[in-house]
Amino acid sequence: ETGVTQSPTHLIKTRGQQVTLRCSSQSGHNTVSWYQQALGQGPQFIFQYYREEENGRGNFPPRFSGLQFPNYSSELNVNALELDDSALYLCASSLPSRGIRTEAFFGQGTRLTVV
Amino acid sequence: KQEVTQIPAALSVPEGENLVLNCSFTDSAIYNLQWFRQDPGKGLTSLLLIQSSQREQTSGRLNASLDKSSGRSTLYIAASQPGDSATYLCAVGTSGSRLTFGEGTQLTVNP
Repeated sequence: ETGVTQSPTHLIKTRGQQVTLRCSSQSGHNTVSWYQQALGQGPQFIFQYYREEENGRGNFPPRFSGLQFPNYSSELNVNALELDDSALYLCASSLPSRGIRTEAFFGQGTRLTVV
Repeated sequence: KQEVTQIPAALSVPEGENLVLNCSFTDSAIYNLQWFRQDPGKGLTSLLLIQSSQREQTSGRLNASLDKSSGRSTLYIAASQPGDSATYLCAVGTSGSRLTFGEGTQLTVNP
């Protein structure tokens, strides 16, 4: 168990709808990153939040947005869902230290199916 | 743009065999490299983290090496067991703590 929890574990949505996925980071970790993993592929970086501010974004459209709260938990919001958004969404938390990139710990993921 | 490649894509071995999984990356300006295990439909379990200044890390039957200059890492699994069957992912840490992943090696260890 990594201490990173994601909810819900599974979700089915209709094309065009909006979805919110949630992540609670490991205790004390102030950095949360979100990844999308399509079937048979490696995870792709969506964006990262550090101390409630977005701190880097991958090649994803603006309809993918996020938030980080004062307790460092995070949400991923996706608007206008498309069929290709069907994937496993992974949240990772870490605690960066000066000059060192520390270990990332992942949750169990949310399986999103868009029909 | 950083690209990570893992070879082979799939591997099937008999129980007890020692094996090596390979990972290569195109940009040597990395902060660290992390190996993960993923069981079907599950999240990622961190196996080993190698900082850019290190050459290798060991944990139990696992040993990971890093050669930054050549853009390569290997994961060595000794005395493989059926419980080792999973997909193994290599990820390099770059600016902003983002991880760039390979597509993984699907390992099957047969009893």
